Amino acid sequence: IAGITQAPTSQILAAGRRMTLRCTQDMRHNAMYWYRQDLGLGLRLIHYSNTAGTTGKGEVPDGYSVSRANTDDFPLTLASAVPSQTSVYFCASGQGQGDSGANVLTFGAGSRLTVL
Amino acid sequence: GQNIDQPTEMTATEGAIVQINCTYQTSGFNGLFWYQQHAGEAPTFLSYNVLDGLEEKGRFSSFLSRSKGYSYLLLKELQMKDSASYLCAAMDSNYQLIWGAGTKLIIKP
Repeated sequence: IAGITQAPTSQILAAGRRMTLRCTQDMRHNAMYWYRQDLGLGLRLIHYSNTAGTTGKGEVPDGYSVSRANTDDFPLTLASAVPSQTSVYFCASGQGQGDSGANVLTFGAGSRLTVL
Repeated sequence: GQNIDQPTEMTATEGAIVQINCTYQTSGFNGLFWYQQHAGEAPTFLSYNVLDGLEEKGRFSSFLSRSKGYSYLLLKELQMKDSASYLCAAMDSNYQLIWGAGTKLIIKP
C-alpha cells in the first residue's frame, strides 16, 4: 500500500538522549517534510527537503537535524532531547513546490514523543 | 507576519449543515488547503482552492475569496464520522504552508 511509514509510533525518552525518528515513503514524491503538532497550535514545520540531497530549515528547526540521502527516506534526529520537544511529529511528502495545485501532502501516522 | 485564524471548536447536529471559516494573512498566496484530522490520526487532504469561488466535492464544499483573505469549508448532511478537526492552511509565495490551529467539530446526535 502506497504511503508513508513512520517509526516509532511512540517513545518515552530521557532528556539529553539522542533520538532518530524514521520516515519512509514509497510514492516517489520529490518533497518531504517534518512537522510537530502541539495542542492549540497549528502544524509547525521543522525541516523540509525539496529533493534528494537537499534540505532546508522550517519555522522551528533548533535542536533538530535531517538528512535526505535518497528519495524515500527522511529521518529526523534530536541530538540531545529536551522536555520542550515533547510533541507529536508528523512526516509528510508531496510533489513539491512550483506546482501548488499538485502539492497535496500525504502524512504519516505520526510519532508521539515524550521527553522527561 | 503570516497568520491563519479559525475557530477553536464548533458543535453541530447530525444531518445538519456547518460552515467552518478561515481567514489568512500571508506573504504572497498560492492557494488554500483544507485537511481533516481525526483524533490520534494523520491529517488527510480535503480540498484546494486557488481561484475565487466555490469548489464542491460531494458533501463537502470549499469557498475562497482572495480579496478578503477568507475561506470556508461547508459540510452538508453531517454524519457522526465527520467529528474531527479541520485544518486550514495557506500556501505563501515560497510555496510553504502556513497552518491554522484547527477547528474541532463535534457532531451531536
